[in-house]
Parts: sequence; structure tokens; C-alpha cells
Amino acid sequence: QSVLTQPTSASGTPGQRVSISCSGSSSNIGRNVVNWYQQLPGTAPKLLIYSNNLRPSGVPDRFSGSKSGTSASLAVSGLQSEDEADYYCAAWDDSLNGYVFGPGTKVTVL
Amino acid sequence: EVQLVESGGGLVQPGRSLRLSCAATGFTFDDYAMHWVRQAPGKGLEWISGISWNSNTMGYADSVKGRFTISRDNAKNSLSLQMDSLGAEDTALYYCVKDSRPSWFGELGNWFDPWGQGTLVTVSS
Repeated sequence: QSVLTQPTSASGTPGQRVSISCSGSSSNIGRNVVNWYQQLPGTAPKLLIYSNNLRPSGVPDRFSGSKSGTSASLAVSGLQSEDEADYYCAAWDDSLNGYVFGPGTKVTVL
Repeated sequence: EVQLVESGGGLVQPGRSLRLSCAATGFTFDDYAMHWVRQAPGKGLEWISGISWNSNTMGYADSVKGRFTISRDNAKNSLSLQMDSLGAEDTALYYCVKDSRPSWFGELGNWFDPWGQGTLVTVSS
């Protein structure tokens, strides 16, 4: 059972906007930043969003992150076929004294 | 270009030990904390251990505490994970990951980038 909660799946047609939620608690998202990782099929995870809403260089601005209270979300606008991947939220947990990941959300482009 | 290359994975019997290594290139290794994150087949990501830039502090997930030991050799730009008393639940792809800061504690807003390609550990008789 993950400390962070994400929907199992999300989908959209090309060009649509997809949003993925990540719910936590006061010991993790409520007090610490949220990072998002993208894992394309058969590859290692890659940093997608850091510090709640910042994009590393090279990440398209179609990807955006936000955080409010004990929840965060990742939005993908202008969905493209290459966005089909698993997306994980992550945060530091003060109670566990470690990092926690959400269970991952599989995004499918219809 | 920052590169992390893991090695040492393989098939091991339950109760035995295995040592993973990670060779780091393309950045000043002793400026950053490092971590191990694993992914069981078909499952999600699990942080298992982190170590500060100078090896002064380490942290472990409860699932591996007392069985796994993380270490680093800054002179050789390498990270290691000694895994003892392995069980079937430890079967996973193990990733070596670079932290964004010198300390592995996450309260300062750390993030993991980049990740290695992983080394597969299979625990089975």
C-alpha cells in the first residue's frame, strides 16, 4: 500500500489534456516538494517535474505540475503518442524519514 | 554527460548475499548524495537507500533496514549496495540515482536525476 495515492490509469486522444492527481498527507506532500518522474516503456525513470512545478531543461512545456495542501497534480496538454508512459509522483516523508513514491499512473493515448 | 552504470545483479538463492555497484561519470561525484531505488517486475518504484556526499549519513527504507548497506567511494566515483539475507521480495530492477543535493535528506527539496539503466536481481532457489 503506497503512502501516496494516484489513479491507476488515465487516457486521452492526441491533442487532449490529461491530468494526474497525487494525494498524500501532512507528513509528505503537505510539508515537502513533489517531484514527478516519467517512465517510458522498457526504460529507466526520468525526472519530469521537480520542486512542484519546475521543468528540467529539455522537458516540453506541455508538462506542468502544481501542488495544493496535501495533493499535487501533473497535467499534460496537447497529448502526444510519445507521452504514453507510467508517471510517478514522489516526495520526502518526515514520518518515515525517507522518500515515498506514488503507485504510478499509466497514461494511454487513444 | 552524466552517466550511471549499475552492475552486480544476477540470480541468487534466498538467504544469500549480493553486492551491487554503480559507476558514475560526467559530474563531480563527491558533490552529491546518491540513492538506490528498486522496481519489482511489473510494479512501481520503491526508494530503498540514500547516502550523503561524504558518507556521514545514510538512510534506509524499513523493508531493507538491517539487511542492506549502502556505501560510496568518492576516490573511485562509485556507489555500492551490499545486500544480505535476500528474499524473494527483493527481486527487482535496482537503479542507481543521483541526488540534486549533497545531503540525502529530502526536507530541502531534493530530486533524483539522472537514473541509471538498472541491474536486475532475482532471488530464487
